[in-house]
Amino acid sequence: KAGVTQTPRYLIKTRGQQVTLSCSPISGHRSVSWYQQTPGQGLQFLFEYFSETQRNKGNFPGRFSGRQFSNSRSEMNVSTLELGDSALYLCASSSTSDHEQYFGPGTRLTVT
Amino acid sequence: GDSVTQMEGPVTLSEEAFLTINCTYTATGYPSLFWYVQYPGEGLQLLLKATKADDKGSNKGFEATYRKETTSFHLEKGSVQVSDSAVYFCALFSGTYKYIFGTGTRLKVLA
Repeated sequence: KAGVTQTPRYLIKTRGQQVTLSCSPISGHRSVSWYQQTPGQGLQFLFEYFSETQRNKGNFPGRFSGRQFSNSRSEMNVSTLELGDSALYLCASSSTSDHEQYFGPGTRLTVT
Repeated sequence: GDSVTQMEGPVTLSEEAFLTINCTYTATGYPSLFWYVQYPGEGLQLLLKATKADDKGSNKGFEATYRKETTSFHLEKGSVQVSDSAVYFCALFSGTYKYIFGTGTRLKVLA
């Protein structure tokens, strides 16, 4: 079974720009969660989608948004990028039966 | 609200030493508890889990027991290897569709 894939793996953007990250979950998984990982803040929950609906949201500004498609693939968007948005963005998928999360390799975003 | 607290790192051990990484939690209800491991340049991987009190999760020589009375889920391994060098995260799933992760503990094992 293929794992969680994230694209792109690396991104360099300039302050003020926007960016879209993509995540394809494991086949059959309908829940997708997004996390931001930084050395200073650790792993912080962004949001979780299930069947195209956002079920939960972390404490991030409205510049961070996401969506999920009918095939469970998910995207997250960050608008008006700031230097502090530089981080590793991790996506994780899970089934509803065991709640185990399977993580992708992440997208390393650098904002200059 | 729900939270996870794990010991600060880094933890540096010699090969074949005994490992303990402490993790305590605060949660309402009966959460599921997990340990994840992150190797350099990779995403997190599930290491082990326990879904109810007194359950013991185990994998690759690592063990952790769900202790409700002490709200703890400490990770242990009897003999670490250099290949165990990684960052370890304790986490809980509270049932509100959200995982709570600890801050991570970096382990470095020296040959």
